[in-house]
Amino acid sequence: DAGVTQSPTHLIKTRGQHVTLRCSPISGHKSVSWYQQVLGQGPQFIFQYYEKEERGRGNFPDRFSARQFPNYSSELNVNALLLGDSALYLCASSLVGATSTNYEQYFGPGTRLTVT
Amino acid sequence: LAKTTQPISMDSYEGQEVNITCSHNNIATNDYITWYQQFPSQGPRFIIQGYKTKVTNEVASLFIPADRKSSTLSLPRVSLSDTAVYYCLVGDNQAGTALIFGKGTTLSVSS
Repeated sequence: DAGVTQSPTHLIKTRGQHVTLRCSPISGHKSVSWYQQVLGQGPQFIFQYYEKEERGRGNFPDRFSARQFPNYSSELNVNALLLGDSALYLCASSLVGATSTNYEQYFGPGTRLTVT
Repeated sequence: LAKTTQPISMDSYEGQEVNITCSHNNIATNDYITWYQQFPSQGPRFIIQGYKTKVTNEVASLFIPADRKSSTLSLPRVSLSDTAVYYCLVGDNQAGTALIFGKGTTLSVSS
């Protein structure tokens, strides 16, 4: 069975531009979470979506937004890019439901974003 | 959310058992303890999760004492490929609860 997939793998953008990152969860997983990881740090939580609704938001500015589609795939959008947005962006999916296992998440390979 | 404390780094040799301890003094009743492994430039990988006592899977064991204020991830007979960062997370399993990753423990395995 395919794992979490993300696209693109790498991306280079200029300050002020906009970027869209995409994620497809594991089949059957209805929850998708987004994380930002800068070098030397652990992943930082950005958003979680479950059943197409935002269920959690981390401490990130409004320039960051996301959505989840009917097929449970997700997009992360970042506007007005700053140099500090350069990072590895990770997507994770999980089974969340009656027997909630939110902390058992499966991560994709990430998108490496470089802002110049 | 319970804060976790774990060693910044550990060194080991191939074939040895490695135990990484995580302190979480303020763990809540509904919190689970979860460990992840991360290799450079890859996403974290779920290793094991537990609530109390001992949990074992094909990769590792997780020991949790009765007071649940700490936990120990045990990796049997490590190999060079176990060199990675290991994160201890504590939190409930409900949707929307953010996974809080600290800096983790960098395990270096040598031959």
